[in-house]
Amino acid sequence: GNSVTQMEGPVTLSEEAFLTINCTYTATGYPSLFWYVQYPGEGLQLLLKATKADDKGSNKGFEATYRKETTSFHLEKGSVQVSDSAVYFCALSPRVSNDYKLSFGAGTTVTVRA
Amino acid sequence: DTEVTQTPKHLVMGMTNKKSLKCEQHMGHRAMYWYKQKAKKPPELMFVYSYEKLSINESVPSRFSPECPNSSLLNLHLHALQPEDSALYLCASSQAPGNTIYFGEGSWLTVV
Repeated sequence: GNSVTQMEGPVTLSEEAFLTINCTYTATGYPSLFWYVQYPGEGLQLLLKATKADDKGSNKGFEATYRKETTSFHLEKGSVQVSDSAVYFCALSPRVSNDYKLSFGAGTTVTVRA
Repeated sequence: DTEVTQTPKHLVMGMTNKKSLKCEQHMGHRAMYWYKQKAKKPPELMFVYSYEKLSINESVPSRFSPECPNSSLLNLHLHALQPEDSALYLCASSQAPGNTIYFGEGSWLTVV
């Protein structure tokens, strides 16, 4: 079956530090990969996505590259801000007809201190 | 516009009450979902509607009853819930499998 493994944290950083959250996956075929972010008290927001190997998703200074050879989709940001404090979920969606299940990682709680 | 709208944002209900959560999307998506999320855990899939028909029920207790009145609306009817059902309930939609799933802000449910 499909699965996603991500570092669970929690991760605590100082402002302007470099952030990386590791995510690896197991899937048959060629899934789509996503990072979602959940700010305190809110729902999930799509942060970025990639749909094929070597695609790079980017948004709000965050980046992740779809690496098929290492089955990874690591999230990075070069200089974090206090407003980046949130829970980050890596997710996988199979591109198979009638398979609608989104597989999530466990989530990584990130706290950025001023 | 990538918006999924959920109401109410907060709901407190007794174990004998009947209430409903509502969800609406105007993106023309053909799949709609209900997820349940406990604090700092990933969302758990409950139901999937595809083209207004229930296509997935993840063995959810019958005290949760989904309804899809049309392609833009999704309801979750709640009856005789237990305190352990207290959680954030997320509605979501997508155009097709493998396409991006867009989530609403969620409804915070407390069962007393």
